This record gives sequence, structure tokens and C-alpha cells, in this order.
Amino acid sequence: DAKTTQPPSMDCAEGRAANLPCNHSTISGNEYVYWYRQIHSQGPQYIIHGLKNNETNEMASLIITEDRKSSTLILPHATLRDTAVYYCIVSGTASKLTFGTGTRLQVTL
Amino acid sequence: DTEVTQTPKHLVMGMTNKKSLKCEQHMGHRAMYWYKQKAKKPPELMFVYSYEKLSINESVPSRFSPECPNSSLLNLHLHALQPEDSALYLCASSQVDMGFLSTGELFFGEGSRLTVL
Repeated sequence: DAKTTQPPSMDCAEGRAANLPCNHSTISGNEYVYWYRQIHSQGPQYIIHGLKNNETNEMASLIITEDRKSSTLILPHATLRDTAVYYCIVSGTASKLTFGTGTRLQVTL
Repeated sequence: DTEVTQTPKHLVMGMTNKKSLKCEQHMGHRAMYWYKQKAKKPPELMFVYSYEKLSINESVPSRFSPECPNSSLLNLHLHALQPEDSALYLCASSQVDMGFLSTGELFFGEGSRLTVL
């Protein structure tokens, strides 16, 4: 599976959009981009995934560049409850996810 | 019901004990997973069951023995563990939509925190 690179930490003011970048320059054509988050002391929570097109759901938007070498997860109006570690994972299947070190997002007042 | 329930939440065991972790889901998912997460590290895949058959074993030591007695239950039997096996053990489940694999969402439980003395 392709390796991902994420910034180790980011801050975001409450109510603002949080834009979390992920580089995956070695992604293969059949590999999906998955985003999960893990709030302290809880199990990981699925956020969104995509293959080529941009995706949006009730939690977030996923923007994948045309060459698929990078993506951005957007939380449109961050709240304190969005403080978590966010994992970007590239995999051909959700059955074999390899979590990297992720981005620790701190949402502040 | 979109929950994956894991019991116990906390477990302390000695190196000679035999114990089990349990996981249950009632979402009709036919894939179930065990992940291990050491402190301040990301989760690591251990086992995947698909249609109650073991489909992926990530070279896990035999002191960890998974079992899937039916489509709703997943157990992890523990025997002769080492202190370095202390970790959060996470169970997850998902639909199967590609042979024996999944491409969609994994639902994780809250985990069982294991301490080996």
C-alpha cells in the first residue's frame, strides 16, 4: 500500500474550517484514500473515503487532486469535539488499513 | 444499532493466565477485525475474519488466538502473554463488498485495554 505523509500537528480556531493535508505520491490507480479520526481513549471513527472524485458527507469533504498524489480533508466548521488524531490511509481495500502517525488537530476557542 | 461492543473494557492478567477478549456487532457485517494499539502509536492490524473464516493474519504470535464462532461474535484468546503485549485491543466490523474484502467503512469498538504483569 502507498505511504502517506501528514503534518504531525495543526491548530484550528473553533468555527473555522480545518483543512488537513495528506501527500500520497506513490498511490496506485486502484487505491482508495480513507480518512479516520481517533478522539482520545476512543476507537477510530470513519470520516470519509474516495477513489478519484471529491466526496462530501455530513462530517467532512474530501478533495483529491487530479493526479491523485495528494488530498485534503475539510471539516467546514470545526468544534472543540473535533480535537483528535486524523489518519489519512491509502489502500486498495478497507480490509487491510495501515494507519500512519496521523495529524493531531487541536481546535481552540 | 451501529455499535461494536467490546468486553471487558479493562483486563489485567499475569503471564501465565489464559483470558479472552470479546467483540459483538449486530449490524449484519460479515467482516470482523482485531487491531492492536500501543500507547501513543497508531492501530496495527492483527487479524481479519470474513464470513467467519480467517482471511488475514498479520504474522501475529500464536499466543494470540482469534475465533469467530458466528457472524456477530469475535473472540481473541490470550495465553502466555508478555508485558510488551500490554495495549489497547480494538475490534472492528464492516460489510464485505469485494470477494472477501471490504472497500467501505469500518466500525470500531471502544477497545479493551490490556495490562500484562
